[in-house]
Amino acid sequence: EVQLVESGGVVVQPGGSLRLSCAVSGLTFDEYTFHWVRQVPGKGLEWVSLISWEGGTTFYSDSVKGRFTISRDNRKNSLYLQMNSLRSEDTALYFCAKSSRPLRLLYYFDYWGHGTLVTVSS
Amino acid sequence: EIVLTQSPGTLSLSPGERATLSCRASQSVSSNYLAWYQQKPGQAPRLLIYGASSRATGIPDRFSGSGSGTDFTLTISRLEPEDFAVYYCQLYGSSPSFTFGPGTKVDIK
Repeated sequence: EVQLVESGGVVVQPGGSLRLSCAVSGLTFDEYTFHWVRQVPGKGLEWVSLISWEGGTTFYSDSVKGRFTISRDNRKNSLYLQMNSLRSEDTALYFCAKSSRPLRLLYYFDYWGHGTLVTVSS
Repeated sequence: EIVLTQSPGTLSLSPGERATLSCRASQSVSSNYLAWYQQKPGQAPRLLIYGASSRATGIPDRFSGSGSGTDFTLTISRLEPEDFAVYYCQLYGSSPSFTFGPGTKVDIK
C-alpha cells in the first residue's frame, strides 16, 4: 500500500525557516516525481513545487521561488521542503503528492499525504 | 499561463440527483491533460478522473468526465451520500505549473 506521511509543520514567526518532510512507502521511490501542494484552511489547492525522480530537476511556483527548496533522499524514501523567509501568506496545510507515472515529470497526482499544518504568525 | 474557472461555486442537490460540474480553461488544454479530484473535509484530495475522461483506479462508474479544448465537465450520475464534497479540476502535462481550479462544493439540499 502506498503511503505518504508529512511531518514538520509548526507555528513559526514571520521571516523564520522550517523544513517539512514526507516519508513515502509502498512503491519504488526513486522512479517517481513528487510534489508539494498547499491549501489555506477553507480555501483551494495551490501547487508549490516538484522534484524529479532522480532529484536533478526542480520547479517552483512564483509565490515561493527563491524562498523554498525542494529536495529528496532516495536512500531514505523521503521528500523535503526547506521553507525560508516565511510570510503570513505561507500559512497553509502542506501536502506531498506522488506523480502517477514513473520517470515522468508532468503527470497528475495519484496519491497524497494527509498534510502538515504550517502557521506563520508572531 | 492558463487559468481554470469552475462553476457553479456551490451546487445544492439531493442524494440520487445528477450533478454536473464545469471547468473552463482560459486557453485550449493540450492533449486534454485535465484531472478532477474530490476532497472531503479533513481529508487529502482523491484522484477521480485524468485525461479529461479516464476514471482512476477504484472510482465508481457514476463518476464520468468529458470535454476537450477549453470546456470540461465532471458528471456524477446519481449522488450518493459520500459524494458530497469539494471537487477541483487541475491542469497537467504541458508546463510545470499544475494549476487547480477554485473548486465546486457539492452540498446536500
